[in-house]
Amino acid sequence: GDSVTQMEGPVTLSEEAFLTINCTYTATGYPSLFWYVQYPGEGLQLLLKATKADDKGSNKGFEATYRKETTSFHLEKGSVQVSDSAVYFCALSRTSGSRLTFGEGTQLTVNP
Amino acid sequence: GAGVSQSPSNKVTEKGKDVELRCDPISGHTALYWYRQSLGQGLEFLIYFQGNSAPDKSGLPSDRFSAERTGGSVSTLTIQRTQQEDSAVYLCASSFGGVEPQHFGDGTRLSIL
Repeated sequence: GDSVTQMEGPVTLSEEAFLTINCTYTATGYPSLFWYVQYPGEGLQLLLKATKADDKGSNKGFEATYRKETTSFHLEKGSVQVSDSAVYFCALSRTSGSRLTFGEGTQLTVNP
Repeated sequence: GAGVSQSPSNKVTEKGKDVELRCDPISGHTALYWYRQSLGQGLEFLIYFQGNSAPDKSGLPSDRFSAERTGGSVSTLTIQRTQQEDSAVYLCASSFGGVEPQHFGDGTRLSIL
């Protein structure tokens, strides 16, 4: 079945550091890929998405590129801020209108 | 515009009681999803509605769980004879369907004593 694997957390960084959170997936066909972010006490917010190979999703300084050859969708940001502290979830959707399959989530803490 | 609204935000109940959780999707969204988020299990899919029909209910963990959607809008998730393992945050999401991304509510935190 479909699965998503994220790098183990938690991740702790200093402000302005470079961020990478690794995500790899297993799925048949060509899934759509997503990164969601969850702030304390809140639901999930869509951060970015990519729907086909080599697409790059970007938002709020975060980027991720859909790499079919390595089945990966790693999240990057060049300079993190304290306000980026949250839990980040990688997810896939295999067919239109279907469920999201989530990774385990990665807790990010950014210290001033 | 208004996002996905869930109520109540918190629910504490005794083991064995029934509970109902409500989800108001974004206006115009035809697809609606329920997920459960719990420690150790991560985010699990429960059920998917397209309009008032549920083409995928394969994630419901037992026959104590049921859900319905009326008027292509509001959905209710019902858990009968609650057990302690039902304690979790229940998240609702909606979308325009197809490959459009899902938008989540803030969830209902359910605690079973």
